[in-house]
Amino acid sequence: DQQVKQNSPSLSVQEGRISILNCDYTNSMFDYFLWYKKYPAEGPTFLISISSIKDKNEDGRFTVFLNKSAKHLSLHIVPSQPGDSAVYFCAATGKTSGGSNYKLTFGKGTLLTVNP
Amino acid sequence: EAGVTQFPSHSVIEKGQTVTLRCDPISGHDNLYWYRRVMGKEIKFLLHFVKESKQDESGMPNNRFLAERTGGTYSTLKVQPAELEDSGVYFCASSPHLAMNTEAFFGQGTRLTVV
Repeated sequence: DQQVKQNSPSLSVQEGRISILNCDYTNSMFDYFLWYKKYPAEGPTFLISISSIKDKNEDGRFTVFLNKSAKHLSLHIVPSQPGDSAVYFCAATGKTSGGSNYKLTFGKGTLLTVNP
Repeated sequence: EAGVTQFPSHSVIEKGQTVTLRCDPISGHDNLYWYRRVMGKEIKFLLHFVKESKQDESGMPNNRFLAERTGGTYSTLKVQPAELEDSGVYFCASSPHLAMNTEAFFGQGTRLTVV
């Protein structure tokens, strides 16, 4: 049962335009959310995060929005650059029942392609 | 500062053989995690060490998998005997302290192929 869902396997945008990557979650105990970026043959690299007490966090060209009532978050990249082309993973953590409170639950990822 | 390093980067073994993956976390990081990504699927949690102690091993698939972190430094993940479904990319990650808002740093992964 997937608790973090990224329903778009891929997204293609033009350089300079906005990229919007979406993520939905089902576990209401999640209270911290992260986006990781992954290039081929490399490990995931942390990009940006948001706590459930906020609805927006911005870092340069990257902004994450959180809608708790809808259990939905999105990553906005503006303007998009060709170097942003990578797989983007949404991840969540929180005081889930049992086990480590700090393990990450990932979505399947979205492949973003930014065309020059 | 060196990041998380994993060895080997690739491993191809036959079904029934044994493979040992190694992870060197960032120096000083008490928390070490193992994750696995089977092709096309999500990255899944396997287990979590705090120093040398297993905090959570709820994601370990079965008893063919054994993880150790002697001395609280590097960690090994042994698969014995390997099965075809064990193929995937195994990631190790580390973080400096236990806090919700601390991101984990990932290694480049070990791609395991069982044939």
